[in-house]
Amino acid sequence: SQQGEEDPQALSIQEGENATMNCSYKTSINNLQWYRQNSGRGLVHLILIRSNEREKHSGRLRVTLDTSKKSSSLLITASRAADTASYFCATDVGGSGNTGKLIFGQGTTLQVKP
Amino acid sequence: DVKVTQSSRYLVKRTGEKVFLECVQDMDHENMFWYRQDPGLGLRLIYFSYDVKMKEKGDIPEGYSVSREKKERFSLILESASTNQTSMYLCASSSWTVPYEQYFGPGTRLTVT
Repeated sequence: SQQGEEDPQALSIQEGENATMNCSYKTSINNLQWYRQNSGRGLVHLILIRSNEREKHSGRLRVTLDTSKKSSSLLITASRAADTASYFCATDVGGSGNTGKLIFGQGTTLQVKP
Repeated sequence: DVKVTQSSRYLVKRTGEKVFLECVQDMDHENMFWYRQDPGLGLRLIYFSYDVKMKEKGDIPEGYSVSREKKERFSLILESASTNQTSMYLCASSSWTVPYEQYFGPGTRLTVT
């Protein structure tokens, strides 16, 4: 089964609104990351939050992590049409040396309407 | 600038053919990964390699093999392609110093008919 479960699976908002997507996971993690994927393209790393951090900001992105609930959320503020993409959470569960093996969620598809 | 390239964006092959997907990275990364991505299933790890000539199975290795003869190149091989291997294939790499931050190629959309 997937380590990361994302919610919602799809989200449609108007430009300028905020978008929030959530990720839940099952096992202890070293860190959690969010990636973006534009249609038919590869993934791009957005932001990383370590297991001892609760909140992190990067530009219009805000990530929170609640290790007691094993969940994370990604907030995109003041969304733009260019934010239309799929967003994936990925967890590093460690225990694999330097290999950096990640487990990805199923993704949330965000559509921002102009 | 970090770059991971994949040999083809789109590929159409027939059932039973041997298929090679190539991935090259120019960042001197030690780790390289092959994923397949299917709707509703997210990314699933097929194989990864943490050094030249080293490889480890991921979550769905059946029907696939890999080769890493040089540090910058990681090949995914479908020995006898089947229709259920129609998918988007993504290659990624990362360094030993920041192993969990992966850089992805643009993907190869493979159709097996």
